[in-house]
Amino acid sequence: QVQLQESGPGLVKPSQTLSLTCTVSGDSFSSDNYYCSWLRQPAGKGLEWIGRLYSSSGISDYNPSLESRVTMSLDTSKNQFSLRLNSVTAADTAVYYCARARVVGGVDYGMAVWGHGTTVTVSS
Amino acid sequence: QSVLTQPPSVSGAPGQKVTISCTGSSSNIGAGYDVHWYQQLPRAAPKLLIYRNTNRPSGVPGRFSASRSGSSASLAITGLQAEDEADYYCQSYDSSLKGYVFGSGAKVTVL
Repeated sequence: QVQLQESGPGLVKPSQTLSLTCTVSGDSFSSDNYYCSWLRQPAGKGLEWIGRLYSSSGISDYNPSLESRVTMSLDTSKNQFSLRLNSVTAADTAVYYCARARVVGGVDYGMAVWGHGTTVTVSS
Repeated sequence: QSVLTQPPSVSGAPGQKVTISCTGSSSNIGAGYDVHWYQQLPRAAPKLLIYRNTNRPSGVPGRFSASRSGSSASLAITGLQAEDEADYYCQSYDSSLKGYVFGSGAKVTVL
C-alpha cells in the first residue's frame, strides 16, 4: 500500500525558509506518472493548493499567490519530493500536506494518496 | 476567497439525503475540467471521495454520488450516517490560474 510521509521542522522563524520533504513508500515514481502536490490548511480553515510537480518531467506549477516564494523539487532516487517556501510569516502557519494524483494519458485522476500532514508554526 | 463556491454547511437527519453544490466558472468547471471531491474527517487528512466527476474509488460506499453540469457540480449523500459528519471539498483545475482550485468546504452535520 502506497504511503506518503511529510517531514521537516515544526517551527520556523519569520523571514526564514520553510523546508519539507515527502517520502513515498510502497511504490516508486518510475511505476507511473503522477502529479505530486503540496497543500496546506491553516487551523479551522480550508485547503489551499501550494503547487505540484509532474513526476515524469519535473515541470512544476505553483499557486500564483505563492509563486514568488515557492520551489518544489523531485528526487526519484530517494522516492521523495520537497517544498521550500521562502520569507515566511505567521500567515504561513498551517498543517502542510503532500498528496499524489495518478495521471493517465494526460488525465488527472484526483489526489488519491495523502500524507498525514505536518504542523508548521512560524514564530520567533 | 475560494475560486469554487460551496455552502458553508449542510445538515440532515440519519437516513436522509443531503446535497452539496460546487459552483465554478468558465475557466475551471465550465471549461470542462474534471471535478474531484474529498472528505475530511475531524483531525484527519483529506480522502479522495469522488474522482473525475462521478467515479467512486474502491472502498467508498455507494451512498456517495456526484454529478456535474455546466459550471457546477454536486455531491449527494443518501442514507446519511453519523460517520458522514465531516468537511467536504470540491476541487478542479483552473486554466487562468494554471493550477488546482478548491471550494471553501462544506461541513456536513448529522442531526
